[in-house]
Amino acid sequence: EPEVTQTPSHQVTQMGQEVILRCVPISNHLYFYWYRQILGQKVEFLVSFYNNEISEKSEIFDDQFSVERPDGSNFTLKIRSTKLEDSAMYFCASSLGPAGYNSPLHFGNGTRLTVT
Amino acid sequence: SQQGEEDPQALSIQEGENATMNCSYKTSINNLQWYRQNSGRGLVHLILIRSNEREKHSGRLRVTLDTSKKSSSLLITASRAADTASYFCATEPYSGSRLTFGEGTQLTVNP
Repeated sequence: EPEVTQTPSHQVTQMGQEVILRCVPISNHLYFYWYRQILGQKVEFLVSFYNNEISEKSEIFDDQFSVERPDGSNFTLKIRSTKLEDSAMYFCASSLGPAGYNSPLHFGNGTRLTVT
Repeated sequence: SQQGEEDPQALSIQEGENATMNCSYKTSINNLQWYRQNSGRGLVHLILIRSNEREKHSGRLRVTLDTSKKSSSLLITASRAADTASYFCATEPYSGSRLTFGEGTQLTVNP
């Protein structure tokens, strides 16, 4: 069964450094998402992406965050200058149709980001 | 209270018993979904119920939705040790693309 893959599985970085988290969504999916989960807390929406542009973003997704689909397969999340509070598990997800149209999300296994 | 709250927060049962988890939400929804998360892993979609549906089955899973009470329940019948995981409800609005997840229920099924 096709799956969403994320790399790396674990990323350690120093405060102030830039990180890029990478995702390969399911190949025929058109809608892409990033969510995050701080340890022990709920899963929070960051951003959704369709047709090479952001569809929706949350208040968490400030100017330090950006997303890109540089080619036909990858979907990346960049954090320009990491803060301690960015430490979390970051999940990429994709769906065939748009949310709001009964299209479930398929999640990757996440990248654990640790900012020291 | 926040959109998508589950109760109980933790549930421990014996293998073979049924497990029931509840979810309440606050705003109008297009659908409600249940996801499962094994420790340290991604979320796996279990079942989706539309706002005009009241009950849905998938294998050992039974989901109900009461839009008048803004609540849903997930029943896992004849539980197995492998069902041990966190279970999250997530609501999807009529418009917009975000899923809002609840706090989750940690289910432990003891062999």
